[in-house]
Amino acid sequence: NAGVTQTPKFQVLKTGQSMTLQCAQDMNHNSMYWYRQDPGMGLRLIYYSASEGTTDKGEVPNGYNVSRLNKREFSLRLESAAPSQTSVYFCASGGTPWNYNSPLHFGNGTRLTVT
Amino acid sequence: AQKITQTQPGMFVQEKEAVTLDCTYDTSDPSYGLFWYKQPSSGEMIFLIYQGSYDQQNATEGRYSLNFQKARKSANLVISASQLGDSAMYFCAMRDTGGFKTIFGAGTRLFVKA
Repeated sequence: NAGVTQTPKFQVLKTGQSMTLQCAQDMNHNSMYWYRQDPGMGLRLIYYSASEGTTDKGEVPNGYNVSRLNKREFSLRLESAAPSQTSVYFCASGGTPWNYNSPLHFGNGTRLTVT
Repeated sequence: AQKITQTQPGMFVQEKEAVTLDCTYDTSDPSYGLFWYKQPSSGEMIFLIYQGSYDQQNATEGRYSLNFQKARKSANLVISASQLGDSAMYFCAMRDTGGFKTIFGAGTRLFVKA
């Protein structure tokens, strides 16, 4: 029972570098999400994918891109990292998007530092 | 617009006592779900409990219960008989039918004292 697998766990980037965070789920969920967690601000939604083939912006999409590669995988890309993107990133999945009773299942997070 | 508010940045509780973590929400959608998640110091997010907007009874899961007051738009988490392992960050969250998104409050850090 892997659930949601997220890689890498830690990453340090220099300003301007790029990287992709990988996420895969084996629960056959339709919807997948990328959040960032900053102190005192809870989790803020970056992008989400309600189903395979669709992606939409969340609350804080600037500086990020996403790809829903297939039903299992949803990646987050930082094209040109900035210090403001230093954060903990969580991938999550959660059933069918119109089911408001579906809890999210989270990966273990990626701690990203941009210097 | 959706909004979740947690007004307690930190809470202390004595081991074996009960504690209530506050959460208020706002949505214009009559259909919504409310969730509580726990984040221990190891960092993972753990789903604790769910309450649907049409549920007549308060949800319970072991030592966790959700005090749902719909008219006041509050969804407080009650932890009974606190244990040292309950020391963690707790997030209230909401999902409605309007945008397929789950939004989170800022969180409450709970410290359980021996």
